[in-house]
Amino acid sequence: QQPVQSPQAVILREGEDAVINCSSSKALYSVHWYRQKHGEAPVFLMILLKGGEQKGHEKISASFNEKKQQSSLYLTASQLSYSGTYFCGTEISGSNSGYALNFGKGTSLLVTP
Amino acid sequence: KAGVTQTPRYLIKTRGQQVTLSCSPISGHRSVSWYQQTPGQGLQFLFEYFSETQRNKGNFPGRFSGRQFSNSRSEMNVSTLELGDSALYLCASGIGLGGYELSGYTFGSGTRLTVV
Repeated sequence: QQPVQSPQAVILREGEDAVINCSSSKALYSVHWYRQKHGEAPVFLMILLKGGEQKGHEKISASFNEKKQQSSLYLTASQLSYSGTYFCGTEISGSNSGYALNFGKGTSLLVTP
Repeated sequence: KAGVTQTPRYLIKTRGQQVTLSCSPISGHRSVSWYQQTPGQGLQFLFEYFSETQRNKGNFPGRFSGRQFSNSRSEMNVSTLELGDSALYLCASGIGLGGYELSGYTFGSGTRLTVV
């Protein structure tokens, strides 16, 4: 039930854009996105719900394709502070895994000057 | 507001010993989830507690257990430690809506457990 993230790693120059994908083999209720910097706790970025509701930060956007059970995180005009590991967390529809998120293995993002 | 507090930050234990980790959630949050983070497997769900009740449990052996107190503080215990239990253990604090936590989970900084 662990979602699959791609790519595993990406290196960007400051100002470039990136897309991180998260896919599940099961129908999803919701998708969370978190960023973790080295040695720090994961920090919440965004939630997307089945039905279209989403809530997150101003400079980060995401999409949720319910039919394909996929979510994508869009990082535009990247800044050095965007560097870190990005995790998607999913809650699966119709399972008894409510109240818990299954996280992907993460995407390591490095933004260089 | 105060964040999520996990203690201790670092632990070194010997194989076969047991360990107890503590997590104090954000004031007003009644849900505490525990995750194991390793380089190879990423974040893996251990269990979630809400109002002193375990609502969900991940696919970990019975050596991993937890509990939650009336003040929402939570502890997790690992008995008969194995080398493979070396990991960063994170707890996450939330209102209790699981995947519908619109403000997301707030994670603590974790406890780094090393088993030798």
